[in-house]
Amino acid sequence: AQKVTQAQTEISVVEKEDVTLDCVYETRDTTYYLFWYKQPPSGELVFLIRRNSFDEQNEISGRYSWNFQKSTSSFNFTITASQVVDSAVYFCAHLGGSNYKLTFGKGTLLTVNP
Amino acid sequence: DTGVSQNPRHKITKRGQNVTFRCDPISEHNRLYWYRQTLGQGPEFLTYFQNEAQLEKSRLLSDRFSAERPKGSFSTLEIQRTEQGDSAMYLCASSLAGNSYGYTFGSGTRLTVV
Repeated sequence: AQKVTQAQTEISVVEKEDVTLDCVYETRDTTYYLFWYKQPPSGELVFLIRRNSFDEQNEISGRYSWNFQKSTSSFNFTITASQVVDSAVYFCAHLGGSNYKLTFGKGTLLTVNP
Repeated sequence: DTGVSQNPRHKITKRGQNVTFRCDPISEHNRLYWYRQTLGQGPEFLTYFQNEAQLEKSRLLSDRFSAERPKGSFSTLEIQRTEQGDSAMYLCASSLAGNSYGYTFGSGTRLTVV
């Protein structure tokens, strides 16, 4: 069975600090996908990034970057120069080759203080 | 297309009452999913439909829960004889079958059982 672990329950930083959110996963699938979602207080899940298991290239999108390492089963998310608007719960998730069931971690609550 | 729509946004009910939630997916999406999210946890899979067929139900979905998707369009999730443990956010999502880009989530229905 798949499992996603986000060991950091809560992180608090001051605006403009860099912050990294950790994600470790377990899977028996040979083909799988990993995601990060943002959940602001309003409740909706906002898609941020998808990686497939064959693509270990790191990705940067503006202030966001992702580091995928199959050797350590990790898919970490870094926010550079954090802003108050980044405050939210962030979820890492796994989608297996069957492509229908997302398995989420418990989430990390990020608070960015001004 | 305005995305996935869920109604109501909030529902407060007395223990023992029945409640029904509605989800309207993105019109061209043939898959529809229900997830439940309790406080401090990530969303957990409940069930999913491909068109009008319900293809899998989680063990989390007790016999007090029933979901339907008549005609493969909108879906309803009914909880009978609600219990306080049913208090949670119920999230609906939709996707195209085989689309590994994950889902588009709705804003959820927050249920409080008093």
